[in-house]
Amino acid sequence: AQSVSQHNHHVILSEAASLELGCNYSYGGTVNLFWYVQYPGQHLQLLLKYFSGDPLVKGIKGFEAEFIKSKFSFNLRKPSVQWSDTAEYFCAVESRNAGNNRKLIWGLGTSLAVNP
Amino acid sequence: EAGVTQFPSHSVIEKGQTVTLRCDPISGHDNLYWYRRVMGKEIKFLLHFVKESKQDESGMPNNRFLAERTGGTYSTLKVQPAELEDSGVYFCASSQWRGTYQETQYFGPGTRLLVL
Repeated sequence: AQSVSQHNHHVILSEAASLELGCNYSYGGTVNLFWYVQYPGQHLQLLLKYFSGDPLVKGIKGFEAEFIKSKFSFNLRKPSVQWSDTAEYFCAVESRNAGNNRKLIWGLGTSLAVNP
Repeated sequence: EAGVTQFPSHSVIEKGQTVTLRCDPISGHDNLYWYRRVMGKEIKFLLHFVKESKQDESGMPNNRFLAERTGGTYSTLKVQPAELEDSGVYFCASSQWRGTYQETQYFGPGTRLLVL
C-alpha cells in the first residue's frame, strides 16, 4: 500500500538553527510530491512541490526540499529557522491510478516549535 | 481570488445527530476533494469530485457519509447519524485540471467536528 512516513513528529529548535524534516514514501510509479504547512489557526498552505526536473525545489519562506529517487525521500530543509516557522508540516505524495483517480497520501505531520 | 472556504468552522453535535459540512471551492476549479484528519492520525482522503460527478469515493468510511456536488460548484458532506469516531477535522481542497499530471490542491481552513 502507498504510504508516507515522516520521521520526526515533534521538533523543537531555537531561532537560527537549521531544520531538516525527513519524509519517505512508498509508491511505485511516477511521483508528485508536496510539502504543506499549517500555521497556528490557519489553513493548510502549499510550501513547495516537486513534479519533475531539478530534484532540488525551492518554496516559500526560504524552504527547500530535495527529491532523491533512489532513497524514496523528499526531505524538507531550511538553513535558519525563525519563530514564525512554528507550525505543523505535512509531506504528501500524489497517488494516481489507471483510471486517473488522484488523491494525496499524507504523512502524520511534524509539529515544529521554534523558540525565540 | 477567493480561496477555498468551508462552513462551519466548528461543529459540536451529539451522537446520532446529523451534520452537514459545506465546501466552496476556488471559482473555476473542477476538482474538489474531501479529506479528514482524526486526532493523532494522518490526513486521509475521502472522495474526489470532477465537476458534479464522483470520480473516486473509495475513502468514504461507510454509508453514513454522503457527499454531493450539485451543479458542480459547492459541495456538501453529510454525516447521518454521527458516531463518536467521526470526530476530526474535515478538509476540502480544490484544483484545476490543466491537462498535465501536475496538479496542485488548494485547501480550505477545515471544519472541526466533535461528536459527543
